[in-house]
Amino acid sequence: EVQLVQSGAEVKKPGESLRISCKGFGYNFGTYWINWVRQMPGKGLEWMGRIDPSDSYINYNPSFEGHVTISADKSVNTVFLQWSSLKTSDTAMYYCARQEEYAEDDWFDSWGQGTLVTVSS
Amino acid sequence: QPVLTQPPSASASLGASVTLPCTLSSGYSDYEVDWYQQRPGKGPRFVMRVGPGGIVGSKGDGIPDRFSVLGSGLNRSLTIKNIQREDESDYHCAADRGSVSSFQGLFGGGTKLTVL
Repeated sequence: EVQLVQSGAEVKKPGESLRISCKGFGYNFGTYWINWVRQMPGKGLEWMGRIDPSDSYINYNPSFEGHVTISADKSVNTVFLQWSSLKTSDTAMYYCARQEEYAEDDWFDSWGQGTLVTVSS
Repeated sequence: QPVLTQPPSASASLGASVTLPCTLSSGYSDYEVDWYQQRPGKGPRFVMRVGPGGIVGSKGDGIPDRFSVLGSGLNRSLTIKNIQREDESDYHCAADRGSVSSFQGLFGGGTKLTVL
């Protein structure tokens, strides 16, 4: 069974750093992009960026580039999203989602359960 | 970059039908759009893709036949027939542009469907 399992909820203070993770199970991890999607409280979905775990090639949404860093460790089938200095406006649910490479059917076909990040002083 | 426009809310009675629109911005009539369902407190799940000619590829796992799509001009709508309680969800449309080196994903604002 294909699964994306995300790390647990986090509560942080403004200015702190954070890394959350998304681990893939049940498929060839290197043949799918992993996308990160933000959902602020009561709001819609926002695409943040994606990474190819096989070579760590990354596409960023310009709105997020420079504030977050996406990385991967293909040896443990895991992708990361990290912040060096959190803001209260980073409070949101973050989802990872799988996207097949070099395929016509390249929608986001499997999603993680989400990681809730709360940033408050 | 295309823009996807969705109404913030919609409602329908149990057993009725509802069409949820997703409108592409001008000049993007050849674009395909993906629909995602997000039940309360849950993560999104893929419903189906729609292009100018209708459904593209297959539906997502477990999506019932009551769900269908229509692509016409700039409109990429999702229709749900014989609405059930479990259809009460947020529905998001999504698209992307660019090649591997310039890929950008985007979502519409989402429509909250209430089942009366």
